[in-house]
Formats: sequence, structure tokens, C-alpha cells
Amino acid sequence: NAGVTQTPKFRILKIGQSMTLQCTQDMNHNYMYWYRQDPGMGLKLIYYSVGAGITDKGEVPNGYNVSRSTTEDFPLRLELAAPSQTSVYFCASSLSGGSEKLFFGSGTQLSVL
Amino acid sequence: AQSVTQLDSQVPVFEEAPVELRCNYSSSVSVYLFWYVQYPNQGLQLLLKYLSGSTLVESINGFEAEFNKSQTSFHLRKPSVHISDTAEYFCAVSDSPGGSYIPTFGRGTSLIVHP
Repeated sequence: NAGVTQTPKFRILKIGQSMTLQCTQDMNHNYMYWYRQDPGMGLKLIYYSVGAGITDKGEVPNGYNVSRSTTEDFPLRLELAAPSQTSVYFCASSLSGGSEKLFFGSGTQLSVL
Repeated sequence: AQSVTQLDSQVPVFEEAPVELRCNYSSSVSVYLFWYVQYPNQGLQLLLKYLSGSTLVESINGFEAEFNKSQTSFHLRKPSVHISDTAEYFCAVSDSPGGSYIPTFGRGTSLIVHP
């Protein structure tokens, strides 16, 4: 099993550009998550999904969109990149919520200049 | 709503010394508690978790954490640290049935082990 795979690993965007961060998992997990990590701020939940076709906002959803058309994939879309979106983004998955542990991808380091 | 507080942003310690990383949580329902570790340039990985039963849980690499319901704490300890324990440690809480099921993470504590 590859686990949770994120692409790209690094990206530099200009203000106003758009891009999609890809995330795929091969563990048949129902729950998937997108977090952003900023220095000293821990992980903030952007969006999550409890199954294909079901998504919901987390703590910091503004400026982002997601879709979940399959169990495996959970892409994160940035429509109009802003400097405040400079961060490290982590995708994660779990079999279910609550007591199940999260499996994390290796992260995408995004800079918006 | 649930929340997690990690009181120390950075904890420097010498090799072979004991260490404690503090975590307090708040929730209106029963909780599941986790510690994750993040090594440089990697994603997070589970270190240990408390679901129910014995309040003391252990990891395979010598860390332990104790669930204290009255103090709403889940502090992480290790009696003797190694250089390789240098990493960022995150405490997380997830509500048990009746809650949101979605984990909330603390700000993280950077453990720096000096030789």
C-alpha cells in the first residue's frame, strides 16, 4: 500500500493564480481531510469528507474548494491564490471518525508570491 | 466544541534526561485522545492513543501518556530521551459517539534534544 499520496511536493504560485492539490489514498478509507500547517499554529482543518459525494467545511475553508467524486481522491482547489495561503498542506485519511487514527501524506509546501 | 491546548511551544532537553510535554483538552462529551509525531519534512504519524480502559498508554519507542479526566489532561512523558526524539509533537482530541468525530489538533510542541 502506498498510503496517502500528495502531489505536488512544492509549488510557487503568483497572486491570483489557481491550482489543485491532489490527494489519493489506497486504503479504502471513508474519511479524508485537508489541513494546513503554519509555524506555531498547529494544524487547522480546511475541509473534510466522510464519504464519496459528501464534504463539509472545517475551521478555515475560505479561499478553498474540494470535491470527493471517488473514495480514493480528495483534491483541494485554490481559485485565486493569496499570500495568506502560503503554508504547508497535509492531506489525511482514516477508516472512520472518532477513535480511528489518521494517516497523513507527506505534505505540499505552497508559496504564493 | 472541542479544543486542545499545548502549553509549551518548545521544550529543550539534554539527551538521557526525562521529558514531559503537556496537553489539556476541553470537550462536552467523552473523548478519544492522540499524540502524533512529525519528524522534519514529513507528515504526522501516530505515536499513541487513548480510547478507553487503562488511563496509561504506551508507545513502542518508550513514550507514555496518562489520561486524567478530572484535570482534562493527556500529558506525554519519556523517562530518557534520545537525539532521535527531536521532532514536533501534536496532541489531538476527537469526540466519542455523540460528538463531531473530527479530530482537533493542538499547536504542537517542538522537542529539541541536545547532546
